[in-house]
Amino acid sequence: DAGVIQSPRHEVTEMGQEVTLRCKPISGHDYLFWYRQTMMRGLELLIYFNNNVPIDDSGMPEDRFSAKMPNASFSTLKIQPSEPRDSAVYFCASGPVGTPNTGELFFGEGSRLTVL
Amino acid sequence: AQSVTQLGSHVSVSEGALVLLRCNYSSSVPPYLFWYVQYPNQGLQLLLKYTSAATLVKGINGFEAEFKKSETSFHLTKPSAHMSDAAEYFCAVSRRAGGGNKLTFGTGTQLKVEL
Repeated sequence: DAGVIQSPRHEVTEMGQEVTLRCKPISGHDYLFWYRQTMMRGLELLIYFNNNVPIDDSGMPEDRFSAKMPNASFSTLKIQPSEPRDSAVYFCASGPVGTPNTGELFFGEGSRLTVL
Repeated sequence: AQSVTQLGSHVSVSEGALVLLRCNYSSSVPPYLFWYVQYPNQGLQLLLKYTSAATLVKGINGFEAEFKKSETSFHLTKPSAHMSDAAEYFCAVSRRAGGGNKLTFGTGTQLKVEL
């Protein structure tokens, strides 16, 4: 299996621009999670989906952030407009049935976002 | 609410020495507990997990952790450190039973292994 695939690996953009991060989960996994990692805040759960439906988006920082999962093999995290404080590494993770309780997540390599 | 506290954001050991990374948890119900490892420029990967079977859990790369309810601890150990163990380690907690619960991570401990 190819694992969780994220793109782009690195993104540098200017404040005010739209940013779209993409994720392909492991085939057959029912859950998909978006995390953000910064030095100041550590790992934060932004949102997670079960069978393509958003279950908990309470971690999404503000309306500038949105996430979609149009099908079982693709998800996007969009920031519009971007701000310097959004600079972070964004991780996508997927998991099979029962993941929220078993905690066994499979992480992608992350998308490092820098907003100038 | 549930949480984990990792004591020591940076730990340095000599190659061949004992590795001890500390994690204490807080949970109102019996928890599932995990250790994840993150190598530079990579995502996290599961090292080991406790899900109420044996209290001493063995993971990959020679690591193990012991669940101690009386101390609310789940410390990670390895008898002999190797240079390749240098990475960041995250303790995490998830609540047993019921759906829709979150996996909550600690702030991480950076392990440095010196010659």
